[in-house]
Parts: sequence; C-alpha cells; structure tokens
Amino acid sequence: GQQLNQSPQSMFIQEGEDVSMNCTSSSIFNTWLWYKQDPGEGPVLLIALYKAGELTSNGRLTAQFGITRKDSFLNISASIPSDVGIYFCAGELSGSARQLTFGSGTQLTVLP
Amino acid sequence: DVKVTQSSRYLVKRTGEKVFLECVQDMDHENMFWYRQDPGLGLRLIYFSYDVKMKEKGDIPEGYSVSREKKERFSLILESASTNQTSMYLCASSLVKGGGQPQHFGDGTRLSIL
Repeated sequence: GQQLNQSPQSMFIQEGEDVSMNCTSSSIFNTWLWYKQDPGEGPVLLIALYKAGELTSNGRLTAQFGITRKDSFLNISASIPSDVGIYFCAGELSGSARQLTFGSGTQLTVLP
Repeated sequence: DVKVTQSSRYLVKRTGEKVFLECVQDMDHENMFWYRQDPGLGLRLIYFSYDVKMKEKGDIPEGYSVSREKKERFSLILESASTNQTSMYLCASSLVKGGGQPQHFGDGTRLSIL
C-alpha cells in the first residue's frame, strides 16, 4: 500500500499566488519525482530529484529532496490558470528498485 | 520525447466480457507498468514487467493478467470483467539503467463495465 503522505489534498488559490505542497514518509527514498495530471490525461513528469538536499527548478516550479530522504516539497510561484490539475509526488523506496510509491495527489484550483 | 500510447481513451464493456487494454512505448524501455486510478485511492500498481515474457504482480493483481510478447508492448487483460473494475487505467514505462528512472505515462484508458 501507499507509504507517502501528500498534503494538502486540495488547494484553492488566486491567480498570481505562490503554492506549496509536500510529501512525507517514515521510509527512506532514493528518488523523488513530481508529476502533474490534467483532467482526462496521464501524469506528466515535472521534476526529478536524485540526491538528498537537491533543489531543482523547472520554470516557475521548484522542488527539493529532503535532507532526511523522507520528504520532498514542490513550490509553484506566481500561479496561472493552466496550473490547474492534480500534482502527485512519487518516490523510489530504498531497496525497491524500479517501482514507485505514489502520493494521493494535491488538487490545485486557480481562481482568476 | 518518450511516447507511451494506450490503444483506447474510452472503452465500455459488459460484465463477464474478456477485455484487452493495449500499451505501446517507443523508447526501447525495459520496464512497463499497469496502474489503475480511482478517486481517493491514488495510483495502484496492478502488474509490471522488466523484460519480454516476464511479469510480476503488483499490489492489486486479482482479476487481471498481462502479456508481454514484445519489448515495446504490454497488454492488460481483464479475464471476466466486473463492475468494480470500472476505472481509469494508466500504462507507464521506464528505463532499467540505474535506479530511480522516472516512469512515463500514457494518456490513460477510461474503462466502464456495465
């Protein structure tokens, strides 16, 4: 079963605001991934993190691999309407090569 | 860019039918995965494969089987469809090289069992 706690479950924000979401676990992860899923589509990879402490940006998105290897966060700056969707974290557990564990997702709504 | 193609976006079948969901990837990936996605339950792994003719059970394999006769194609089979298998089905693939290779997803098949 799932071993990742993703929060918040949903967010309603105004256009232009910054957004932060995170995933935590009691287990150690070797890799953290962040995906976005638009309605009716499959998840699309946003950012991949491979080392503890790593901070990576992709445009307005920034994600970090926690020092303890048990958490990760995703920030979106200056949100726009097309940021709407479900954001998933996923991680590769230590000792569990190739398979991913997924968070339950954060539903983001951006209000004009 | 990696391309994972699922054969149908929407599918409607009847209870008891044998249902085939097809997935093809064009990046010579060794690993392929089948998930189902349900509201509130996230993505759950059904089956996966690391090589041709090889398969492993995921977290919820009951009622499903898979086939991987060619490296680029991974099929999910519902042996006798039931209404509780109505769901969004997602196929994914990844490289085997090193660990932590991201999985790349198809657009999904929304399956309804009547």
